[in-house]
Amino acid sequence: DAGVIQSPRHEVTEMGQEVTLRCKPISGHNSLFWYRQTMMRGLELLIYFNNNVPIDDSGMPEDRFSAKMPNASFSTLKIQPSEPRDSAVYFCASSLMPGTASYEQYFGPGTRLTVT
Amino acid sequence: GQQVMQIPQYQHVQEGEDFTTYCNSSTTLSNIQWYKQRPGGHPVFLIQLVKSGEVKKQKRLTFQFGEAKKNSSLHITATQTTDVGTYFCAGFRDSNYQLIWGAGTKLIIKP
Repeated sequence: DAGVIQSPRHEVTEMGQEVTLRCKPISGHNSLFWYRQTMMRGLELLIYFNNNVPIDDSGMPEDRFSAKMPNASFSTLKIQPSEPRDSAVYFCASSLMPGTASYEQYFGPGTRLTVT
Repeated sequence: GQQVMQIPQYQHVQEGEDFTTYCNSSTTLSNIQWYKQRPGGHPVFLIQLVKSGEVKKQKRLTFQFGEAKKNSSLHITATQTTDVGTYFCAGFRDSNYQLIWGAGTKLIIKP
């Protein structure tokens, strides 16, 4: 398996622009997670899905952030409009659902977002 | 709120010295996972502990889960440059099926 795939790997955009981050989870995994990592705040869970349904989005910073999972093999995280404080590395991770024998999370390589 | 506290935030060691990071939860965990993130990389799963008092070893790494299932530790014996990175614990609670992440401990090898 190719692992969790994220695109783009790097994104540089200007303040006010829309940014869309993409994720393809590992085939067969039914939980998907979006994280944000910064030096100041560490690793933060933004939202997670079980079977394509958003379960907890309490970590989403504000209305400028939205996430979708239209099917089991694709998810997007959108920021509109973007702000400099959104600059961070955004990770997508997938796992089997809790209750299965092994539900460790597999992380993608991340998208490094810079908003100028 | 629900938290898993992890200390220390950083640890500087000479190569060959030991390293330990600790995690503590205010509530009982059903299991705890450990991850390693190399500089510039992404977190990678190391191990999961499930049973009270469980101890597992991976070469020079020893993982422990407390008897009350509220704390855990990772000990590295005789650190090497390949051990550099940030080590995260993540506790799982059945009540909400969520992994609660520690803040991570960054292992730095002194030059």
